[in-house]
Amino acid sequence: QQQVRQSPQSLTVWEGETAILNCSYEDSTFNYFPWYQQFPGEGPALLISISSVSDKKEDGRFTIFFNKREKKLSLHITDSQPGDSATYFCAARGATGYQNFYFGKGTSLTVIP
Amino acid sequence: GPKVLQIPSHQIIDMGQMVTLNCDPVSNHLYFYWYKQILGQQMEFLVNFYNGKVMEKSKLFKDQFSVERPDGSYFTLKIQPTALEDSAVYFCASSGGQSLAETLYFGSGTRLTVL
Repeated sequence: QQQVRQSPQSLTVWEGETAILNCSYEDSTFNYFPWYQQFPGEGPALLISISSVSDKKEDGRFTIFFNKREKKLSLHITDSQPGDSATYFCAARGATGYQNFYFGKGTSLTVIP
Repeated sequence: GPKVLQIPSHQIIDMGQMVTLNCDPVSNHLYFYWYKQILGQQMEFLVNFYNGKVMEKSKLFKDQFSVERPDGSYFTLKIQPTALEDSAVYFCASSGGQSLAETLYFGSGTRLTVL
């Protein structure tokens, strides 16, 4: 069973627009949600994260909105830049015992200049 | 920032041979992970490792797979024997602890091609 789902699979926006990437999860015990950014040929790197006690986390142009009741998150990238073109992975983990990180399948973002 | 180094970056081997993937985790990190990624898609968890022991493994972590970190050196993933479906990019990751907001630091991956 897919623990973390992401949509869309790919997204293209113009430079300056806001890109919205969606994520949902199955396990209600998950309470920490990092987003990772991956460029071709590189490993994923932490971009921004949120815990379930918050409904919003902002870091510059990147904002996570979190809806615990619906088990959904979204990553908003405002004023998108060509350098933001990458694959974005939503991940989730719980806090009970020794918990693994579960990753979604990723959203490939292309920002056109 | 902290760096996880993976050696080699590419590895091509014949089916049935043994392969060892090496990972030099972030200094002082205590938790180590291997993930498998096919065609730039989903990161699939394989195994995590702490204090010399496997803590958790997924169904993808077949009997042919093993991990170890001898004498605190490289954290290794060994596949013996390899199969065609093992072709993928393998990412090593490490973290300093198990607090809620603990960050996973990933290496650049080893692309394994099994012929």
